[in-house]
Amino acid sequence: GAGVSQTPSNKVTEKGKYVELRCDPISGHTALYWYRQSLGQGPEFLIYFQGTGAADDSGLPNDRFFAVRPEGSVSTLKIQRTERGDSAVYLCASSLTGQGRGNEQFFGPGTRLTVL
Amino acid sequence: AQRVTQPEKLLSVFKGAPVELKCNYSYSGSPELFWYVQYSRQRLQLLLRHISRESIKGFTADLNKGETSFHLKKPFAQEEDSAMYYCALHSGGSYIPTFGRGTSLIVHP
Repeated sequence: GAGVSQTPSNKVTEKGKYVELRCDPISGHTALYWYRQSLGQGPEFLIYFQGTGAADDSGLPNDRFFAVRPEGSVSTLKIQRTERGDSAVYLCASSLTGQGRGNEQFFGPGTRLTVL
Repeated sequence: AQRVTQPEKLLSVFKGAPVELKCNYSYSGSPELFWYVQYSRQRLQLLLRHISRESIKGFTADLNKGETSFHLKKPFAQEEDSAMYYCALHSGGSYIPTFGRGTSLIVHP
């Protein structure tokens, strides 16, 4: 079946602009996660949704970052007033429930964001 | 705070040689450890988890709480094992993994 999809695959923007990154999780997965991966680093947690609500947004670096999941499926990560330091690959993952030990996360291909 | 350390950025071996990718963690509670793999031009995927005590593609990893390690091992490396490997820790009750920076494994023919 279809895996997690993310659009766009690449996004180039200018400093100060607003961007939206989209994630389509696996159908039926209630848990959705956003990560940011900078060059040479592992994925860094940003936010976790359980259904429509953000269960944990402790990883969002500042108030320029915001994410929504209004219908409990597709999620959008929004970055305002982008800075060059925001350049990274943004990964999305989903899991069936997000509960219980060892619940497997399935990752999307990522969106590579470049802020000029 | 929890932390995952993968000391090697790059590990280069020849086909048929044993492989050990190191992972050390710091966490005061009961951890849950995972290895993820990312092959070239593919997405990140789960390789194995310590609670399953499984061998996947010939890889095994044993949680050593005394040494706070979860090293990934394979007795005979294959060229198709070349990939980026990430160790990750879930703290007890949290479903948010903390990833290490990754180790690039290159297996030469």
